[in-house]
Amino acid sequence: EVQLLESGGGLVQPGGSLRLSCAASGFTLWSYAMSWVRQAPEKGLEWVSGISGSSDSTYYADSVKGRFTISRDISKNTLFLQMNNLRAEDSGIYHCAKVSSGWYGSAIDCWGQGTLVTVSS
Amino acid sequence: QSALTQPASVSGSPGQSITISCTGTSSDVGGYNYVSWYQQHPGKVPKVMIYDVSNRPSGVSNRFSGSKSGNTASLTISGLQPEDEADYYCSSYTSGSTLFGTGTKVTVL
Repeated sequence: EVQLLESGGGLVQPGGSLRLSCAASGFTLWSYAMSWVRQAPEKGLEWVSGISGSSDSTYYADSVKGRFTISRDISKNTLFLQMNNLRAEDSGIYHCAKVSSGWYGSAIDCWGQGTLVTVSS
Repeated sequence: QSALTQPASVSGSPGQSITISCTGTSSDVGGYNYVSWYQQHPGKVPKVMIYDVSNRPSGVSNRFSGSKSGNTASLTISGLQPEDEADYYCSSYTSGSTLFGTGTKVTVL
């Protein structure tokens, strides 16, 4: 069974940093693209970042480019999102998401429950 | 990178058909056949209902169908049922990123 378990969220001041983790099980990270998608309270979905399957190609929304970095540890089957220079508008639930193929543009077929990030002073 | 445009709400009676639109540009919806639709019930994670414009994943009811014309994609729910009441989001590939729609709340009257 495919499972995604996020961790690392919390309360951080504006300008601060957080590192989110997503432990994947039931499949191999190397074989599939992965994405991070966030959802502010009572708001819609926003794609944040993606990484291709069998390559290290990474992609970012304009709103986070230069501040966030997506990466993975294949040996631990874990996906990461390093978030720096955080802003209030970055607050929300961050979902780790498995893409249905090795290409990040394919549909998402599995979502983690998410980890809450709150940026506030 | 602007969100794709969806109507805020759509409603229908049980048994009726409804259609949700998703409007983008020639750089996203109109340029690629990589449009997906997701259903999200309150407090739950999204579930893919349609991928690659019109394909239905295994296990999704055939009451859900997708199509595209120009820069606008559509999700049609036929034979509306109470459990279809949820938020629906479209998504499209665009060069270098992925875009989600603004979301549509479907209400079953």
